[in-house]
Amino acid sequence: GDSVTQKQGQVTLSEDDFLFINCTYSTTTYPTLFWYVQYPGQGPQLLLKVTTANNKGISRGFEATYDKGTTSFHLQKASVQESDSAVYFCALSSNTDKVVFGTGTRLQVSP
Amino acid sequence: GGIITQTPKFLIGQEGQKLTLKCQQNFNHDTMYWYRQDSGKGLRLIYYSITENDLQKGDLSEGYDASREKKSSFSLTVTSAQKNEMAVFLCASSIGTGGSTEVFFGKGTRLTVV
Repeated sequence: GDSVTQKQGQVTLSEDDFLFINCTYSTTTYPTLFWYVQYPGQGPQLLLKVTTANNKGISRGFEATYDKGTTSFHLQKASVQESDSAVYFCALSSNTDKVVFGTGTRLQVSP
Repeated sequence: GGIITQTPKFLIGQEGQKLTLKCQQNFNHDTMYWYRQDSGKGLRLIYYSITENDLQKGDLSEGYDASREKKSSFSLTVTSAQKNEMAVFLCASSIGTGGSTEVFFGKGTRLTVV
């Protein structure tokens, strides 16, 4: 079945640092790839999604690029703010199966 | 837009107790989900339902029951609470189950078992 892997459990940065969170995936079909963000006390919410048609998604200063060759789906932001502190989940949805979530990466940004 | 309402927000139970969590959505979505989130961990799927009266087991269904009597509601029962158990249970919904479907989440029910 489909799967996604996030190896970074926690990332600690200072404001204005560059953010890079890696996610790799496995599927036998053409997936849609998502990044969800979960702020404290809230449920996860969609940050951005990328399909095989466009390869890249941009939202709120975050950018994600889908690389079919390496089956990876990175999330990056040029300059993080303290308000970006949250848990970030990558997720995959294929035409034949329900969405699959990664284990999440906790981002802590200090002022 | 719509909203997913989970009740209660906080639930304290005793070991061995049967506990029920409720979820309502007004998106008119067909598919609903229950996930468990342990501290610092990811989202583990307990049950999902693709339509009224349908139930599908997820990876963590043992120890839980679920019920989808109406399209808008999906309840989860912990059949026997485990001592010192602490987790957040997240209800979610989506239009369907595949393709580019976005999943919408509630704010969660925080369970503590004493």
